[in-house]
Amino acid sequence: GPKVLQIPSHQIIDMGQMVTLNCDPVSNHLYFYWYKQILGQQMEFLVNFYNGKVMEKSKLFKDQFSVERPDGSYFTLKIQPTALEDSAVYFCASSLQYTLYFGEGSRLIVV
Amino acid sequence: QQKVQQSPESLSVPEGGMASFNCTSSDRNFQYFWWYRQHSGEGPKALMSIFSDGDKKEGRFTAHLNKASLHVSLHIRDSQPSDSALYFCAASDPRGSALGRLHFGAGTQLIVIP
Repeated sequence: GPKVLQIPSHQIIDMGQMVTLNCDPVSNHLYFYWYKQILGQQMEFLVNFYNGKVMEKSKLFKDQFSVERPDGSYFTLKIQPTALEDSAVYFCASSLQYTLYFGEGSRLIVV
Repeated sequence: QQKVQQSPESLSVPEGGMASFNCTSSDRNFQYFWWYRQHSGEGPKALMSIFSDGDKKEGRFTAHLNKASLHVSLHIRDSQPSDSALYFCAASDPRGSALGRLHFGAGTQLIVIP
């Protein structure tokens, strides 16, 4: 099936540093998303992105978060500065219409 | 308050048995529903979508939606050990940009015993 690739698979970072999570969505998909999952619990929506713009973001999408997809390259989630509570698995997803396809996740540990 | 509630939290069934999952939404704007499955260490994968009242069958999987009660269920017949995973119900408001914002339940852990 369609594959969403995420890089890195895991990263350990010092609190206060910047981190960028990269996502290579399915090639013909138009909508892109980031979700956050803590300890195998439910997925929480962060943001969705279409046509170069943020469409909707949740309360979890703090001011320290930003997303972009410059010139059709990776869809990125940047956190600057990171905080301890940002430790989680971040899932990128993409869709053409209704069904989202998720990547394998990027496990972020902030120490 | 969680807008999507799932039950049970965990479920064990023998190989070849029937596994059943329940999901209820508290938001009447949620009209589209999905079931996702997540194996340990992987991302969630869409199993089925259901947007209309009634049953939808795909192989061993059957979903049922009752929009009046905002209840959706998933049944897996002839369960296999490879079905052991975390099952999430997800709901969406189909209006405008909210369509892609999935609201997930807390999940049901399924263990299929060989």
